[in-house]
Amino acid sequence: EVQLLESGGGLVQPGGSLRLSCAASGFTFSSYAITWVRQGPGRGLEWVSYISNSGGDTQYADSVRGRFTVSRDNSKNMLYLQMNSLRDEDAATYYCAKGIGGTSSLDYWGQGTLVTVSS
Amino acid sequence: DIVLTQSPATLSLSPGERATLSCRASPGVKTYLAWYQQKPGQAPRLLIYDATNRATGIPARFSGSGSGTDFTLTISSLEPEDSAVYYCQQRDNWPITFGQGTRLEI
Repeated sequence: EVQLLESGGGLVQPGGSLRLSCAASGFTFSSYAITWVRQGPGRGLEWVSYISNSGGDTQYADSVRGRFTVSRDNSKNMLYLQMNSLRDEDAATYYCAKGIGGTSSLDYWGQGTLVTVSS
Repeated sequence: DIVLTQSPATLSLSPGERATLSCRASPGVKTYLAWYQQKPGQAPRLLIYDATNRATGIPARFSGSGSGTDFTLTISSLEPEDSAVYYCQQRDNWPITFGQGTRLEI
């Protein structure tokens, strides 16, 4: 059974940092691209970042580029999102999701981890 | 950025009726469009990918059509559990974008 489990969310002050993790199981992690998507309270879905199966290709939304860094450790079946210089508007539930093949059609999602940005 | 516009914003129908949800892309996205269902407190669930392909385990009452700029998600005979917000998403170009969602009330 495919499972994705996010962790690392919590309360952080504006300007602070947080590292989210996503633990994957039930599939060959190193064969699939992974995407981060967030959803602010009562809002729609917003794409955040993409990383290819090897980690050699990464993409970011303009709203987070230069502040967020996505990485993966295929030996540990782990995905990470390092978030720096956090802003109020980064407050959201963050989901990691597996793509079909190398694509960004997202067939399995984690349950999400909540990031709150507040002083 | 590619803008996806979903209509209507809210759709209220009865069990057994047919639902038609629209997603318009500007500019076009070929067939690189997916549909997701999200219920309160849950992660989104993939229904349709590449415009017409049903994802694993999705009931046959869900179908997708369209290409280029105009796409449709059809639910042929509504069940009460189909109440949810439905999002379209394109993967034709970076950045990936989502529509604003259609709320379906049964």
